[in-house]
Amino acid sequence: GAGVSQTPSNKVTEKGKYVELRCDPISGHTALYWYRQSLGQGPEFLIYFQGTGAADDSGLPNDRFFAVRPEGSVSTLKIQRTERGDSAVYLCASSLLGGGSDTQYFGPGTRLTVL
Amino acid sequence: AQTVTQSQPEMSVQEAETVTLSCTYDTSESDYYLFWYKQPPSRQMILVIRQEAYKQQNATENRFSVNFQKAAKSFSLKISDSQLGDAAMYFCAYRSYGNQFYFGTGTSLTVIP
Repeated sequence: GAGVSQTPSNKVTEKGKYVELRCDPISGHTALYWYRQSLGQGPEFLIYFQGTGAADDSGLPNDRFFAVRPEGSVSTLKIQRTERGDSAVYLCASSLLGGGSDTQYFGPGTRLTVL
Repeated sequence: AQTVTQSQPEMSVQEAETVTLSCTYDTSESDYYLFWYKQPPSRQMILVIRQEAYKQQNATENRFSVNFQKAAKSFSLKISDSQLGDAAMYFCAYRSYGNQFYFGTGTSLTVIP
């Protein structure tokens, strides 16, 4: 596609449930990033993929959060046993190579609400 | 850890006037990149301008320019000839050599017709 897409655009779930958020990066982009943006805050780095591997997952808040990118394109962010504090907009971005001044292109985000 | 501070939660500017948004950061690295992103209500972050720390010359993109003061760890954004479409949240971001990104808390810019 022309840009980064994320599905669903909105997700409402109950506390304790499992959710998956999907990101389709720009075709050919090797680097993919996940961020979490809470209300009134800037994006907070979660994880960075270079190809299929997680090059840096130091931003994942705890072991309930996990992300995969099995074929080096689409990525899924998985959250187990959701908590109300997980409510936020989850942003995905991709870039061509992932280094230097490489431009990140962001998707529109998925708004997650945990009731 | 690197931190990025935007001390102006809200700013306003008259259409066609100039406004400056401030950003400071804290780092012990010598090699890094700085960015300004715009986030309209649609939520999609759009790159406005970027600056490589090793370059002394301030970056410019049409009506947008930066004042990069490396020693002071300051990176302000100047928007000239402000337009109604410039109204948005603006985020300053720092990219470390290790490819982690750190964002400030944002400045909400209102453009008054």
